[in-house]
Formats: sequence, C-alpha cells, structure tokens
Amino acid sequence: EADIYQTPRYLVIGTGKKITLECSQTMGHDKMYWYQQDPGMELHLIHYSYGVNSTEKGDLSSESTVSRIRTEHFPLTLESARPSHTSQYLCASSENGKGGMAYNSPLHFGNGTRLTVT
Amino acid sequence: KNQVEQSPQSLIILEGKNCTLQCNYTVSPFSNLRWYKQDTGRGPVSLTIMTFSENTKSNGRYTATLDADTKQSSLHITASQLSDSASYICVVSDRGSTLGRLYFGRGTQLTVWP
Repeated sequence: EADIYQTPRYLVIGTGKKITLECSQTMGHDKMYWYQQDPGMELHLIHYSYGVNSTEKGDLSSESTVSRIRTEHFPLTLESARPSHTSQYLCASSENGKGGMAYNSPLHFGNGTRLTVT
Repeated sequence: KNQVEQSPQSLIILEGKNCTLQCNYTVSPFSNLRWYKQDTGRGPVSLTIMTFSENTKSNGRYTATLDADTKQSSLHITASQLSDSASYICVVSDRGSTLGRLYFGRGTQLTVWP
C-alpha cells in the first residue's frame, strides 16, 4: 500500500473561507500531483510538481495554489472557497521512470479530501 | 471529446462470474496504458501498466490486454469476488513531454452481488 496521506478526509466550509488541503508522501518521490474528481467524471489535473521549488498548473483552470518546499509535502490552498469548488481532491506521487521520465511509473494516490463549500 | 472512452459505464455481475471491461483510446503518440481500481471513498490503486510492446499483463485475477493497432484495451476479471466492486479506470499516457501527459477515462462502475 502506498504511503501517501491526505488530510482532512472530509471538509465542509462556508463560502469565502481560506483552506489548505494537506498531502504528504514518505516514498521520496520527486513528482507530485493534485487531481480533481467529480462523480462519474474523469480525473482532471490541477497542479503538478517535478520536485522541490517546482510547480506547474495543470489542465483544469483553478483558483488554487500549491507549494513544494519539501520533497514529501505538497499542500494545495484555496484563498477564497466557492460552492463551485465542491469536489473530491486527490493527491498523487510517482517516481522517476527509466531515463528520468515518469512514463512507466504508476501513480500512487492518497485517499482524497472531499470538500463541500456551502 | 474524451480521448479515452470506457464501456460499459456500469456493470452488475454475480459473485464467481467473469467479466470484461473495455477501453478505447485515441491518444497519440502512445506511451503506455494503465488500469486502476478505485474503491468507494478511496484513491485509485494501480493494477497494471502496459507499453506498446506488451499485449497482455496479469495481476492475480486481473488480466489486461492491449491492441496498440486498434487502440483498444480490455480488463478481464476472473472468478469475481465481492471485493472487486469498485470503479475501474483506464489511463493512457503519451510521449509528448518529460512528464508524460495522462488521459483518464471516466471509469466502469462494477458491482458484484452475492
């Protein structure tokens, strides 16, 4: 079982609040990712990181931000939550594949944070 | 249009029976295809990864096949168990970047009844 942890598991907050979703992994993986998943829909990449001090936006337009100060930690922050942010947020990590590329490396997922914004 | 299409959307089978889930993709250039199992309330867990040179790979009662020519994959589950009830997600990776962009299907929701 993968050693990647997300907290909190469930969060209900009011509109306008600032929140941080935590993600930590103990596998020493360089690459980390945040995905958004809605029921019956495909996962959408919102942020990813190649390593410390490296972060990039993914495909899904998002009002969130991330940071990668330590290899093991990749928190996601929403400065002002809105009802449209209600979703499941999944954090994942992967090791470098052959030649330093992640092509053939599986993603290891946390169990997610289910966020509800009222 | 999603570049990874899965069918059926949902499936109900009786315990002990076999089933096959389908994945068709248009992603190009192709790098690899992955199958994940996602239990309710949990994150996805990797079952198999196949590159274009592999046409079958097994993981216990799960057997994945890949036809890179027709861009189709299937996941066959043998002698199903109640614990197989989950969403099965097909994911295709391209070679377009160092990271290898991933394209996710919407999953097939499998329910196994006793």
